[in-house]
Amino acid sequence: NAGVMQNPRHLVRRRGQEARLRCSPMKGHSHVYWYRQLPEEGLKFMVYLQKENIIDESGMPKERFSAEFPKEGPSILRIQQVVRGDSAAYFCASSVGTGELFFGEGSRLTVL
Amino acid sequence: DAKTTQPPSMDCAEGRAANLPCNHSTISGNEYVYWYRQIHSQGPQYIIHGLKNNETNEMASLIITEDRKSSTLILPHATLRDTAVYYCIVRVRDSGAGSYQLTFGKGTKLSVIP
Repeated sequence: NAGVMQNPRHLVRRRGQEARLRCSPMKGHSHVYWYRQLPEEGLKFMVYLQKENIIDESGMPKERFSAEFPKEGPSILRIQQVVRGDSAAYFCASSVGTGELFFGEGSRLTVL
Repeated sequence: DAKTTQPPSMDCAEGRAANLPCNHSTISGNEYVYWYRQIHSQGPQYIIHGLKNNETNEMASLIITEDRKSSTLILPHATLRDTAVYYCIVRVRDSGAGSYQLTFGKGTKLSVIP
């Protein structure tokens, strides 16, 4: 059984560019969560989505960040006009309903 | 903010049992206790969860006190590969509409020593 798949695993962007991170949940999972981990810091919740709906975006920065989970295809975390402070590991997790979350290996964004 | 309190670090000798404590004195009746770990910079790994009964799986055992205000994660025979940060998290489950995200605290950094 394939786990949560995230790509790219590593992404380098220059300041002002856009970053798109993709997450394919485990088979049968319809709930997706995005977390961010800054260097040497803990995991911070960003957003929780179900198919075509954002359920909780209380952890998302107000500007430049957006997330979607379309009916078909992976969930996308989009960061516009990246700045150096966006450099972090971004983890996606999925769950069946309200069950336990299973995490991917993360996407590591470096902003030059 | 996380609703749990854990010691920042612990050491355990390889082959011995690792007992990781967690206090969650304000836990609600519909909140479960979850344990995750993060090895180096990998994605967090689910270990076990429970509501009020003790639980055991192939990775660990979870002991929850009768008043549910604290719990202990037990790794019965720690190996070097168990060196990680362990997170104890309380989380609502099966309560209808709402957010079921996990709130991670600082966790306990477990070092397994040869």
